[in-house]
Amino acid sequence: DVKVTQSSRYLVKRTGEKVFLECVQDMDHENMFWYRQDPGLGLRLIYFSYDVKMKEKGDIPEGYSVSREKKERFSLILESASTNQTSMYLCASGRSGNGNQPQHFGDGTRLSIL
Amino acid sequence: AQTVTQSQPEMSVQEAETVTLSCTYDTSESDYYLFWYKQPPSRQMILVIRQEAYKQQNATENRFSVNFQKAAKSFSLKISDSQLGDAAMYFCAFTIRGNKLVFGAGTILRVKS
Repeated sequence: DVKVTQSSRYLVKRTGEKVFLECVQDMDHENMFWYRQDPGLGLRLIYFSYDVKMKEKGDIPEGYSVSREKKERFSLILESASTNQTSMYLCASGRSGNGNQPQHFGDGTRLSIL
Repeated sequence: AQTVTQSQPEMSVQEAETVTLSCTYDTSESDYYLFWYKQPPSRQMILVIRQEAYKQQNATENRFSVNFQKAAKSFSLKISDSQLGDAAMYFCAFTIRGNKLVFGAGTILRVKS
């Protein structure tokens, strides 16, 4: 089974802190994604990566950056955390293709910024 | 704009009965893939069923089936013989030109015993 592991299930940080969310997948997938999930808004794509050291902005990249130094690891960085970044963050991975490949998700990190 | 609309924020179904979750989408693309994902209280998102837009035949996976109406841009999910374990948030989504997913807001499904 594909396993996508997110480093923390719950995280509490203070405004202005630099926050790192880590994600590791064990299936050699080319693609990795970071989403933010908010009630009534579904999942919104923050950033994604099709290959090592490659990244592309999603729909809501402001206030975030990412790093993919190794194929299996994709990190989301909140450069200076703000209260409006309190949310559930989901990481996903999937094979490259023509859009028919399903994504596999981690358990999510519930992040609170105080 | 690529959008997905799930018009039912919450639905309830009696155990063993059938329920249909609605989804409409908007895209100018002709080639795309549609998905239903389930997110139980444990939070891990799980793929329920997938449909290729170029296929007219509706996808089925055991008790789960879809009603895909391409012209109407509608992609509803039918759950037959509902079970307590089906209680979850259900998300409709689609991808185009690569693997970026566009999600709807989700429908919470409650199953009554």
